[in-house]
Amino acid sequence: EAGVVQSPRYKIIEKKQPVAFWCNPISGHNTLYWYRQNLGQGPELLIRYENEEAVDDSQLPKDRFSAERLKGVDSTLKIQPAELGDSAVYLCASSHREGAEAFFGQGTRLTVV
Amino acid sequence: GENVEQHPSTLSVQEGDSAVIKCTYSDSASNYFPWYKQELGKGPQLIIDIRSNVGEKKDQRIAVTLNKTAKHFSLHITETQPEDSAVYFCAAWGTSYGKLTFGQGTILTVHP
Repeated sequence: EAGVVQSPRYKIIEKKQPVAFWCNPISGHNTLYWYRQNLGQGPELLIRYENEEAVDDSQLPKDRFSAERLKGVDSTLKIQPAELGDSAVYLCASSHREGAEAFFGQGTRLTVV
Repeated sequence: GENVEQHPSTLSVQEGDSAVIKCTYSDSASNYFPWYKQELGKGPQLIIDIRSNVGEKKDQRIAVTLNKTAKHFSLHITETQPEDSAVYFCAAWGTSYGKLTFGQGTILTVHP
């Protein structure tokens, strides 16, 4: 069974530029999460989807971050414009349902210069 | 919201020794506690988990214990090997907040 797939693996951009991350969850997993992991810290939830509905986006900085999960499968996370403080690893995870085991992708390491 | 504290932040052991990592949580409604292993440049990998209806779970060299009354849970790794070296994260999930809250991580180093 294929795991959670994320792309790109690495991204370097200049501040004020836009950037987008893509995630393909495990087949059949209805719940999808985007987490941000700063260096030396644990992941922190940005947004959680149940199918195509964003059920928890309270931690998403909505002035510059946006996400979508069209058709309840793949998801994209966008930052526009990026700031230096956005440098982090962005992780996507999926689970069969809310509260079930969550499996993570490899992450996208973003560096804003 | 939930708050998860993890200790120690770093742990160094000799190959063959045991390693124990401890976490405490604040929300008594939390009922699912996974542990993740993260190697350099990779995403967190689920290694073991426990739900609040059991006190202990074991999988080969790895075990997790849960004390609901005290609101703490621990990861035990026996007969450690150099390939166990990684960052380990505990997490807690509860229906009241519907998300995984992670601890700060423990850097485990196993010396050959």
